[in-house]
Amino acid sequence: DAKTTQPPSMDCAEGRAANLPCNHSTISGNEYVYWYRQIHSQGPQYIIHGLKNNETNEMASLIITEDRKSSTLILPHATLRDTAVYYCIVRGVSGAGSYQLTFGKGTKLSVIP
Amino acid sequence: DTGVSQDPRHKITKRGQNVTFRCDPISEHNRLYWYRQTLGQGPEFLTYFQNEAQLEKSRLLSDRFSAERPKGSFSTLEIQRTEQGDSAMYLCASSLFLPRGGGGYTFGSGTRLTVV
Repeated sequence: DAKTTQPPSMDCAEGRAANLPCNHSTISGNEYVYWYRQIHSQGPQYIIHGLKNNETNEMASLIITEDRKSSTLILPHATLRDTAVYYCIVRGVSGAGSYQLTFGKGTKLSVIP
Repeated sequence: DTGVSQDPRHKITKRGQNVTFRCDPISEHNRLYWYRQTLGQGPEFLTYFQNEAQLEKSRLLSDRFSAERPKGSFSTLEIQRTEQGDSAMYLCASSLFLPRGGGGYTFGSGTRLTVV
């Protein structure tokens, strides 16, 4: 799996959009970008994933650059409950290692009242 | 609750004792995974099952660790002769295998093991 680079921490004011960047410059053509988050003392929670098109669901939006070397997770209206560690993961859907998620250290997002 | 259940939530054991954790995945999920997470780090892959077959084991899974998934339903992770370095959060996740990608894994809340 390609490696990802994320800032170690970010702050966001409550009610504002949180934009979390991720670099994955060595991503392969068949690898997806996944985002998970982990709230303190809980297991990771799936947020969203995409291949090349932008994606949106009830939790967040995922913007992937045209060259696919970076992406941004957008939480449109951050709340205090969004305070968590956010992990950006690149994963293939077939072949060796496609079954596992390789977590880095993620970005610690703190939503401030 | 139709999520992934793990039992117990917390376990304190003395060094050298054996411990066993249980994971009940989402019933229609055919893949089950075990991860370990130490303080300040992201989760690390240990092993996974597709139905009842254990298809991959990480180098992190020493011979003191054994995992089973009889009948492709719940799974157990046993650690024999525990060491202080085994202290960690043990996470279980399940997913439905979709050949062309698909939704994410559903994780349980984990079992926190403390070896004293």
